[in-house]
Amino acid sequence: DIQMTQSPSSLSASVGDRVTITCRASQSISSYLNWYQQKPGKAPKLLIYAASSLQSGVPSRFSGSGSGTDFTLTISSLQPEDFATYYCQQSYSTPVFTFGPGTKVDIK
Amino acid sequence: EVQLVESGGGVVRPGESLRLSCAASGFTFDDYGMSWVRQAPGKGLEWVSGINWKGDSTGYADSVKGRFTISRDNAKNSLYLQMNGLRAEDTALYHCARRQAVRGVHLFDYWGQGTLVTVSS
Repeated sequence: DIQMTQSPSSLSASVGDRVTITCRASQSISSYLNWYQQKPGKAPKLLIYAASSLQSGVPSRFSGSGSGTDFTLTISSLQPEDFATYYCQQSYSTPVFTFGPGTKVDIK
Repeated sequence: EVQLVESGGGVVRPGESLRLSCAASGFTFDDYGMSWVRQAPGKGLEWVSGINWKGDSTGYADSVKGRFTISRDNAKNSLYLQMNGLRAEDTALYHCARRQAVRGVHLFDYWGQGTLVTVSS
């Protein structure tokens, strides 16, 4: 089974900061990697798919990169509405999928 | 507007069964695969099970394999999750999610708000 890890597990940042979250797969997953944002009490929202493609309607301050086993989600200038938990998800092993453990971004 | 509305959650004792439903609207249901994703209180997301558009290909997380069964009724625009042999660790909010494949990458682009399952003696 493919295992996903994320680092850090949490971080504190200020509005305007550049934030980078890392996701690592236990084996190569090519670019079969998606990123989601979840706010408390809400359903997850798709941000990035196929490692680097921005989902329609998502602000351009969000970007993704990577392939193989190492991936990053970057928020170029953190906004108040970006404080949330972020999850990566692999779809290489379709029809079985795996989410990472999440990274909580809160206010410094 | 795409809508996914889950129902069927509740409080059950260990070993009992429960059947979750997800009513879909706003899109052509049988054009898409679907999945169930759960979230235990204060914990992260866990993919539970998925099914293709036709209903003839399914997948399960190891944690539920042999106990849970996913199915769909395209005539009723509905997704189901039959959960047998429930355990305390199955306590979670269960979301249904629409699965789409873009350039071979499977993603979850719409989610329901979830139905809560509590397993407690």
